[in-house]
Formats: sequence, structure tokens, C-alpha cells
Amino acid sequence: EAEVAQSPRYKITEKSQAVAFWCDPISGHATLYWYRQILGQGPELLVQFQDESVVDDSQLPKDRFSAERLKGVDSTLKIQPAELGDSAMYLCASSLARGGSYEQYFGPGTRLTVT
Amino acid sequence: GENVEQHPSTLSVQEGDSAVIKCTYSDSASNYFPWYKQELGKRPQLIIDIRSNVGEKKDQRIAVTLNKTAKHFSLHITETQPEDSAVYFCAASLNTGNQFYFGTGTSLTVIP
Repeated sequence: EAEVAQSPRYKITEKSQAVAFWCDPISGHATLYWYRQILGQGPELLVQFQDESVVDDSQLPKDRFSAERLKGVDSTLKIQPAELGDSAMYLCASSLARGGSYEQYFGPGTRLTVT
Repeated sequence: GENVEQHPSTLSVQEGDSAVIKCTYSDSASNYFPWYKQELGKRPQLIIDIRSNVGEKKDQRIAVTLNKTAKHFSLHITETQPEDSAVYFCAASLNTGNQFYFGTGTSLTVIP
């Protein structure tokens, strides 16, 4: 069964450093989401792509976060500079988002620790 | 935007008993309500979902009910087993492809 892939699984970085996360969605899924999940809370959307276009980035801290999906397939989320408050799980999800298919499939996540 | 509240935050039940988790949402336009199970250190996985044109859906030991008028939906797990222990998240979505607004999660422990 196809799954969403993410790397790295774990990342420890010092504050003010740059970090990048990668996501490869399920083949054929046009919609890709990046969520941030703080321990003990539900995931919160950072950015949503439809193919290569950003659909919603209203909750993305654009002064330090950036995301791209250049060819409409895999995606990269970057933080520069990282702050202590960025420590969280970063989840990528993808969805077919057509033909009545609503389900979002999640990747295993990247656990970020900022020291 | 949509606001989803989830209760309780923790729930312990004896093996074989039923568990019920409740969520409320604020935006009457929401029309899709999935439930995810997340085991420690693992990805959230969809266990059941319901659309706004349906009042109830069942899949073996798991069921979800939706009350559109009251804007709340519930997850029911019957004959609980230790492997049901996990964090469960409800979510609401406005339209196909739109973001999910998640609840804060319920940590379910099934005591053998």
C-alpha cells in the first residue's frame, strides 16, 4: 500500500540555524498539506498545495517559514532561523481531493527539537 | 475559521467496555468529519469518517454519529481491546480538499 514518505524522521538543531523537511506524497495525489503538531495537541495546518500552487498559507509564519512544491509532486518545508518554539512534529499529508475522495493520508512526520 | 472542541482529553475503560469521544464544531458549513487514531510515535491513521448527508456510520466495532443541528459528532468504540489504546483525533472540513481542523485529542487507555 502506498504511503506518504517524509525525511528526516528526527532533527535536532540549534536556534538560529536553518532546517529543511522533505515530503513525498502518494503518487497521483494533487493536494499536499504541511501540518505542525505540538505535543498533546491536534495537528494545525501550515500550508496547503494544489499541484504546485499554494492554496492556503494563512497560518504559515512567513518571516521564517517557507514551502515549495516546484513540480507538483514532492515538497520541502524550510525554517530559517529556527526558534525554540518551533520544536514540534511536522506532518505531511496528501489527498486525492477529487471524485468525492476526502481522505488525507499522513506521513510518519519529522520530530524537530530546537535547542 | 472552524473551531473543533473534543472531550474528554483522557479516557480509561476496562477491556470489553465501550468508549465514547465527543466533538463539537462551530462552522455549520463543515461537511466532512474524519476520525484519526495516532499511536505513540506513529502517523495519524483514518479509522472512520462521515459526511454531512449521513447521520451514522458503522464499521465493525467503531461507529460515528453526527448531529448537524447541534453541530456535534461522536466516536463510539464497542468491545474495547488493549490495542485500541491510542490518541484519537476528530476533525472537521469545509469542502473536499480543504484543510482539516483537528480537535485536541483524546488519550484512550484500555485496561486489560
